[in-house]
Amino acid sequence: NAGVTQTPKFQVLKTGQSMTLQCAQDMNHEYMSWYRQDPGMGLRLIHYSVGAGITDQGEVPNGYNVSRSTTEDFPLRLLSAAPSQTSVYFCASSYSRWGETQYFGPGTRLLVL
Amino acid sequence: AQKVTQAQTEISVVEKEDVTLDCVYETRDTTYYLFWYKQPPSGELVFLIRRNSFDEQNEISGRYSWNFQKSTSSFNFTITASQVVDSAVYFCALSSNTDKLIFGTGTRLQVFP
Repeated sequence: NAGVTQTPKFQVLKTGQSMTLQCAQDMNHEYMSWYRQDPGMGLRLIHYSVGAGITDQGEVPNGYNVSRSTTEDFPLRLLSAAPSQTSVYFCASSYSRWGETQYFGPGTRLLVL
Repeated sequence: AQKVTQAQTEISVVEKEDVTLDCVYETRDTTYYLFWYKQPPSGELVFLIRRNSFDEQNEISGRYSWNFQKSTSSFNFTITASQVVDSAVYFCALSSNTDKLIFGTGTRLQVFP
């Protein structure tokens, strides 16, 4: 099993550009989520999905879109990048939302100029 | 609302010292789960332990041990005989059946040779 994979590993964007961060898992997990990690703030939930076709907002959803067309994939879209979105982004998955261990991808480091 | 507090921002020790990382949590739920994750300098998030609210038994895994005390809402992590490879940021996290997984702000542990 590859576990949770994320691409790209590193990306530089200019303000206003859009891009999609890819996330895939091969563990047949129903629950997937996106977090951003900023210095001194831990990990904050952006969006999550409890299954294909079902998504919901987390703590810091503004400026991001998600969709879940398959169990395996959960891409995160930045609509119009802003410097405040400079961060490290982690995708995670688990069997369910409640109480299960979440397994994280390796992260995507994003720099918005 | 749930909350996880890791008051120690950074800890420095010399190899072979024992070190305890503190985690204090707040929740109104009676069923909840506590986690510890390790983030080494390479950046990935590594799952260490999951504990449910009904199991207050302490756990030991090699040099790692965890002390869960509901009376003080704490889930502390101790590394015995620390090693340089233990240098990382450690996150405590909380999940319940009424709220999402939330993380503390992390404790950076530096172990010097």
